Amino acid sequence: AQSVTQLGSHVSVSEGALVLLRCNYSSSVPPYLFWYVQYPNQGLQLLLKYTSAATLVKGINGFEAEFKKSETSFHLTKPSAHMSDAAEYFCAVSDNTGGFKTIFGAGTRLFVKA
Amino acid sequence: SAVISQKPSRDICQRGTSLTIQCQVDSQVTMMFWYRQQPGQSLTLIATANQGSEATYESGFVIDKFPISRPNLTFSTLTVSNMSPEDSSIYLCSVGGDYSYEQYFGPGTRLTVT
Repeated sequence: AQSVTQLGSHVSVSEGALVLLRCNYSSSVPPYLFWYVQYPNQGLQLLLKYTSAATLVKGINGFEAEFKKSETSFHLTKPSAHMSDAAEYFCAVSDNTGGFKTIFGAGTRLFVKA
Repeated sequence: SAVISQKPSRDICQRGTSLTIQCQVDSQVTMMFWYRQQPGQSLTLIATANQGSEATYESGFVIDKFPISRPNLTFSTLTVSNMSPEDSSIYLCSVGGDYSYEQYFGPGTRLTVT
């Protein structure tokens, strides 16, 4: 069965600092991995996705994530945080055993300090 | 990507009543999903709604409580029946790609049951 673990329910960084949001997954077959962002009072927006192509995936708003099979990780990074990055971030996993179903992590709230 | 709208955006309802949430997509899609997001928590899949077939419910969710309609490839409804305060949540619809696993989300319906 698929599962996703996000380490840290809250992360706080200063504006301009590195953003690192951690995600580990479990899947019995090669997974599809995603990061979604949710701004207050909005639905989820896809940031980036890994679908077995390049292991370093670039997304919108300067975010990227690296798929590391040996570590079963898919951490999200951004070199320099901006105030507008403050939001909830969800890591998610899907594979072809689940009928296109997606399992979401618990989420990490990112705070950006001025 | 698909553009998804939901109605209503929010509602306050009395216990024992029912609310029907509408989800409209700007293009034809095969798979639609309904999620519940309880305050401060991640997303939980309620059911998958494919056009032309009965919705498939996840463990813990039943058709009598959450009936779903999917009359065509651009529209679906979720009804929350006989509501109790525990049903207070954000309800999100999403659509998935036929050959990819990413999902596109509506803005959500914020339901408060008093």
